[in-house]
Amino acid sequence: KQEVTQIPAALSVPEGENLVLNCSFTDSAIYNLQWFRQDPGKGLTSLLLIQSSQREQTSGRLNASLDKSSGRSTLYIAASQPGDSATYLCAAHTVYLSGGSNYKLTFGKGTLLTVNP
Amino acid sequence: EAQVTQNPRYLITVTGKKLTVTCSQNMNHEYMSWYRQDPGLGLRQIYYSMNVEVTDKGDVPEGYKVSRKEKRNFPLILESPSPNQTSLYFCASSLRQTDYEQYFGPGTRLTVT
Repeated sequence: KQEVTQIPAALSVPEGENLVLNCSFTDSAIYNLQWFRQDPGKGLTSLLLIQSSQREQTSGRLNASLDKSSGRSTLYIAASQPGDSATYLCAAHTVYLSGGSNYKLTFGKGTLLTVNP
Repeated sequence: EAQVTQNPRYLITVTGKKLTVTCSQNMNHEYMSWYRQDPGLGLRQIYYSMNVEVTDKGDVPEGYKVSRKEKRNFPLILESPSPNQTSLYFCASSLRQTDYEQYFGPGTRLTVT
C-alpha cells in the first residue's frame, strides 16, 4: 500500500527566501507525481506533474524533482513571496494490477507554508 | 473556461436525509473521482469512474453511492447521511486514468447534525 509523507508539516520563512518542500513515498512503482497548492477553504490547484520517466519539471519560480529509486520528490520555490502562503500537497499516482487495474492517487498530508513580509 | 464545478458549495443537513452533491466537468475528461478531506487524515478517495457507466470503490466508499450516466457528470449520493460524513468533499477529473493532471473542483463543505 502506497504511503506518502510530507515533511515538515509546517514551515515559516521570510519573504525572498528560497525553500524546499519534501515528499517521500513508499512504493516506487508510480506513474507520476503531482504537486498541488491549496488555499484555506479552497480547492486544489495543480502546480506541477512529473512523469515517472522524468527527473524534474519547472514552472516559473517552481521546480519539482523526482527520484523514484529513493522514493522522494522535492518542490523548490525560489524567491518566496507572501502570496505563496498556502498548503502544498504532493500526490503519487500508482496502479495496482490485481484482477484489473486499480488506479490510485495517494496524497500526503501537506506542508503549510507561511511566507512573512 | 475549463473547470470542474460542484454544487452546493456548503450544505448543512440532518442525519438520515438523503442528499446529492453534483459534479460536472467541461473538459471531456474520461476519469472522475470523489475525495473527502478531514483534519489529520488528509485526502481520501471515495469512488472513481474510468468512463461512462464504469465506477469503482476507493478507500472509503461506505455510506456513499455514485453514478456516471454522462461523461461530464459524476454525482455523489449520500442515501442516509450520518455525522461522521461531515467533511470537505472534492470532485476531480483528468483526461485519462493515468499520466494526466488531476483537476479539482472548489469543494463542498458538508455538515451532518
